[in-house]
Amino acid sequence: AQSVTQPDIHITVSEGASLELRCNYSYGATPYLFWYVQSPGQGLQLLLKYFSGDTLVQGIKGFEAEFKRSQSSFNLRKPSVHWSDAAEYFCAVGGLRYNQGGKLIFGQGTELSVKP
Amino acid sequence: DVKVTQSSRYLVKRTGEKVFLECVQDMDHENMFWYRQDPGLGLRLIYFSYDVKMKEKGDIPEGYSVSREKKERFSLILESASTNQTSMYLCASLDSNQPQHFGDGTRLSIL
Repeated sequence: AQSVTQPDIHITVSEGASLELRCNYSYGATPYLFWYVQSPGQGLQLLLKYFSGDTLVQGIKGFEAEFKRSQSSFNLRKPSVHWSDAAEYFCAVGGLRYNQGGKLIFGQGTELSVKP
Repeated sequence: DVKVTQSSRYLVKRTGEKVFLECVQDMDHENMFWYRQDPGLGLRLIYFSYDVKMKEKGDIPEGYSVSREKKERFSLILESASTNQTSMYLCASLDSNQPQHFGDGTRLSIL
């Protein structure tokens, strides 16, 4: 079955520390992969996407993610966290029919808290 | 920039009422989606539409229906609202080979 797993429900890091949010997926075909961020009371904003090519992708707000096919993972990283990064983060996967329907499967989300 | 607008940020309705959630996008996107978001469950797809008057069920369509009479508007309908439909509802749209763009969400409470 197709699925996305974010093992960490809640993570707390200190401001200035590095961050890694984990994402594992189960998908039968070549996946399209996404990370979205949601601030309280807001919709989802796209941080970055992987469609093909270079497996290390850069996104907005200083985030990056690395696609590792052998591990079925797409972990999100940031070298130095800012207090404004406190939010909920969602990993999502879509399939080859992406441009015919665009269905995405979302993980459960990881809530990030930032200590001053 | 793509703009996806959901008509209400907060909505309170009573059990048994017929509820309409409206979503409008301004970029002529073919595909539109309705999700519900619940703590610990992430986003779950209710319905999506890839063209006017076309719709497909998502993962949790029970208790919901949709309408897409015009390309820019995608409505979610709760035929007879129940308390277990209290949730955050998110609308999204996309164009071919591009990521989904989301509205700000409607937080719906059914009393």
